Amino acid sequence: DAKTTQPNSMESNEEEPVHLPCNHSTISGTDYIHWYRQLPSQGPEYVIHGLTSNVNNRMASLAIAEDRKSSTLILHRATLRDAAVYYCILRDPKTSYDKVIFGPGTSLSVIP
Amino acid sequence: GAVVSQHPSWVICKSGTSVKIECRSLDFQATTMFWYRQFPKQSLMLMATSNEGSKATYEQGVEKDKFLINHASLTLSTLTVTSAHPEDSSFYICSARFQGGTEAFFGQGTRLTVV
Repeated sequence: DAKTTQPNSMESNEEEPVHLPCNHSTISGTDYIHWYRQLPSQGPEYVIHGLTSNVNNRMASLAIAEDRKSSTLILHRATLRDAAVYYCILRDPKTSYDKVIFGPGTSLSVIP
Repeated sequence: GAVVSQHPSWVICKSGTSVKIECRSLDFQATTMFWYRQFPKQSLMLMATSNEGSKATYEQGVEKDKFLINHASLTLSTLTVTSAHPEDSSFYICSARFQGGTEAFFGQGTRLTVV
């Protein structure tokens, strides 16, 4: 699986937008970019995923660079409940859609 | 989204005993389930892939005789930690994917403490 690189940790003030970056310079043409997050003492939960175009859902937005070598997860208005570890993962439907392999992720702290 | 439930949420057991953790897909049929282990302040590590009606596939370094996985139905997979020792204390998480689906849905995790 192609590797992703994320900052170990980030901080945000409550009610401000948060931009979580992810680098994936070795992404292949068929890799989808997935984001999951894990709240403290809970299992991970799906956040969003995309291939080429930017994506929006009720939880977040995903901005994908034109060359697809990086992406940014955007939380439009951070709340205390958004404090979690965020994982950026590449998944290829043809080879590895079955497995979700987690890297270290970014630990997001939200300051009241 | 689909719901995956684990039971128990936490368990404390004595060293040398065995512990069974259940993973159920509540509103869909899961042909494939996955088991992860997570130590404090570390990421999730995939242990094995469980396919309904067949033997589980274990990741390198995971002892199949110690971590017994059974996926007897399309809605239930179990992980049994045999002869548990304190170093097996960890957070165990399962996930499930329904047939033809792409997303993985995760259980809430089971905290195992071996004393």
